[in-house]
Amino acid sequence: RKEVEQDPGPFNVPEGATVAFNCTYSNSASQSFFWYRQDCRKEPKLLMSVYSSGNEDGRFTAQLNRASQYISLLIRDSKLSDSATYLCVVNPEDSSYKLIFGSGTRLLVRP
Amino acid sequence: DGGITQSPKYLFRKEGQNVTLSCEQNLNHDAMYWYRQDPGQGLRLIYYSQIVNDFQKGDIAEGYSVSREKKESFPLTVTSAQKNPTAFYLCASTEGDRGGEQYFGPGTRLTVT
Repeated sequence: RKEVEQDPGPFNVPEGATVAFNCTYSNSASQSFFWYRQDCRKEPKLLMSVYSSGNEDGRFTAQLNRASQYISLLIRDSKLSDSATYLCVVNPEDSSYKLIFGSGTRLLVRP
Repeated sequence: DGGITQSPKYLFRKEGQNVTLSCEQNLNHDAMYWYRQDPGQGLRLIYYSQIVNDFQKGDIAEGYSVSREKKESFPLTVTSAQKNPTAFYLCASTEGDRGGEQYFGPGTRLTVT
């Protein structure tokens, strides 16, 4: 079983749609969680951290379910510019410098 | 502007040759990382360094070597011992112990034939 698993997609949605991605992780002791965005043939960039209480940043909402060991990302009112691959990232230990990256979920937003 | 630079953007080498990828940062970050990304796969950690003159192997260190002689620089050498060196190589850095907030360079696409 992979340490971090994501549905590879692609998710093909019209502009204005709401889309949600899930990610599961295998290490129950994992401490920190993140969503990164990666455009085609570019480097990943941090989109948002995921907090236990859930957090929102504009059209983006991230949630964590520790009991079920999954993380979600909700994008409302999708824009063409949201088209990218979204990487679920887990820090397995609070003091560790290591991150575990999922293979990503690809989102395509069409006009 | 602060950031991470990697050079070159594209690199072509013949099999059997060692090649060194450059990574420089002016963010004053303590920790630096090298990842490899293959199509359809997540990033895999090759090496990381928390401080100058110290580095640790990641999950796929075989066939690679690094050095950290300066805080700003963390070059990666892909040796001839690496079986499948063709990949997208990404360098990243982070401040102190904020391991989750990594800043990436633009990457180097290495093709070995």
